[in-house]
Amino acid sequence: QLQLQESGPGLVKPSETLSLTCTVSGVSISSTSHYWAWIRQPPGKGLEWIVTINYSGTTYNNPSLKSRVTISVDTSKNQFSLKLNSVTAPDTAVYYCARHISPYYYGSGNYEAWFDPWGQGILVTVSS
Amino acid sequence: QSVLTQPPSASGTPGQRVTISCSGSSSNIGANYVYWYQQLSGTAPKLLMYRDDQRPSGVPDRFSGSRSGTSASLAISGLRSEDEADYYCAVWHDRLSGWVFGGGTKLTVL
Repeated sequence: QLQLQESGPGLVKPSETLSLTCTVSGVSISSTSHYWAWIRQPPGKGLEWIVTINYSGTTYNNPSLKSRVTISVDTSKNQFSLKLNSVTAPDTAVYYCARHISPYYYGSGNYEAWFDPWGQGILVTVSS
Repeated sequence: QSVLTQPPSASGTPGQRVTISCSGSSSNIGANYVYWYQQLSGTAPKLLMYRDDQRPSGVPDRFSGSRSGTSASLAISGLRSEDEADYYCAVWHDRLSGWVFGGGTKLTVL
């Protein structure tokens, strides 16, 4: 059964870099049919998609965050990671990793918002 | 503010039918499949509906989805207490070149 688990510091200082890792179990992260995503949710607010990547490095970025985001895949550890630099208080959120199924489906030419399953999430607070 | 508009709240009594709307534009809902997610209190979101009206395995047929023009809807019939949750719609936005979520609807079962 596919499972995802986020890990990383729960507290980051303003202007520093937020670094999170998602460990995937139950399937190889190198599977050609799988993409992997980060999504966040500020306390009491809605969801915001951050970035999607596959094992070969094909990436989809949220344009509003792209300049601050770095995403990578470590196939040897079956993990993918997120770095968000120059953080400020609005970056405080629960960060979720998720499998992103068929971000672009060639059959129909559609982009799919198909995130399943999700990790349990990790709260990251930006504060001095 | 999200580019997808959902009512902030909805409510119903057990057994009732409730509908949650998601309003967008020709750049998102009007051109792409809509997805719905259910988030129970204190937990991660869970896929509830994919490609407008398809239920993943394990989702009761009390849940149904539809899309017409630039709007989509999630309907829940035979409302149960365990349906109390936040519901989010999601779709690709052509002009923004990214996936967007609605602001979420908090469903209360009275």
